[in-house]
Amino acid sequence: DSGVTQTPKHLITATGQRVTLRCSPRSGDLSVYWYQQSLDQGLQFLIQYYNGEERAKGNILERFSAQQFPDLHSELNLSSLELGDSALYFCASSGGTSGGALHNEQFFGPGTRLTVL
Amino acid sequence: GDSVTQMEGPVTLSEEAFLTINCTYTATGYPSLFWYVQYPGEGLQLLLKATKADDKGSNKGFEATYRKETTSFHLEKGSVQVSDSAVYFCALSARGSTLGRLYFGRGTQLTVWP
Repeated sequence: DSGVTQTPKHLITATGQRVTLRCSPRSGDLSVYWYQQSLDQGLQFLIQYYNGEERAKGNILERFSAQQFPDLHSELNLSSLELGDSALYFCASSGGTSGGALHNEQFFGPGTRLTVL
Repeated sequence: GDSVTQMEGPVTLSEEAFLTINCTYTATGYPSLFWYVQYPGEGLQLLLKATKADDKGSNKGFEATYRKETTSFHLEKGSVQVSDSAVYFCALSARGSTLGRLYFGRGTQLTVWP
């Protein structure tokens, strides 16, 4: 168990809809990352938050947005969903005092599998 | 830019065979290097890491040595087990970007038969 939790585990929705994925980082970790895993694109970095502030953006579509709350949990919002958004979405965390922060060892949650029909 | 290239799978081996999964990287400076493993239906787990040249990361019988001269971080195991069947990802974190993103390879599917 990595200590990172993600909900829901599975999500099935229709095209055009909006969904919210939730992530709770490991206790003490300040940084949260979102990654998308699909068969054709592999693991793609979407966005990073550090202590409530956006830190870096990757291949995130304009239809997607994220935020990190004062309690450090994060939400990824996906809107106007398309069939191609079907993928596994992972959250990872790092930066805590329990070690690994210097070399950016990231701890991954179990993922949310999104299916858009 | 920073990137990781790892051998395409799938790799199929018999139990107790020797495993090598090749990984090479491109990065400015001296990145930290990682191998992550993803078992079916699960998230990524850190398998091992190396943070400077000539470091050897090891865990659960797996090893990888950080080779600056060849920009490589190949994963090896002397005797694989059925329980090692999973997808393996090589990744790097750029030096000087503490808490920055990881760059992943495409993953290598390993299947071990009894």
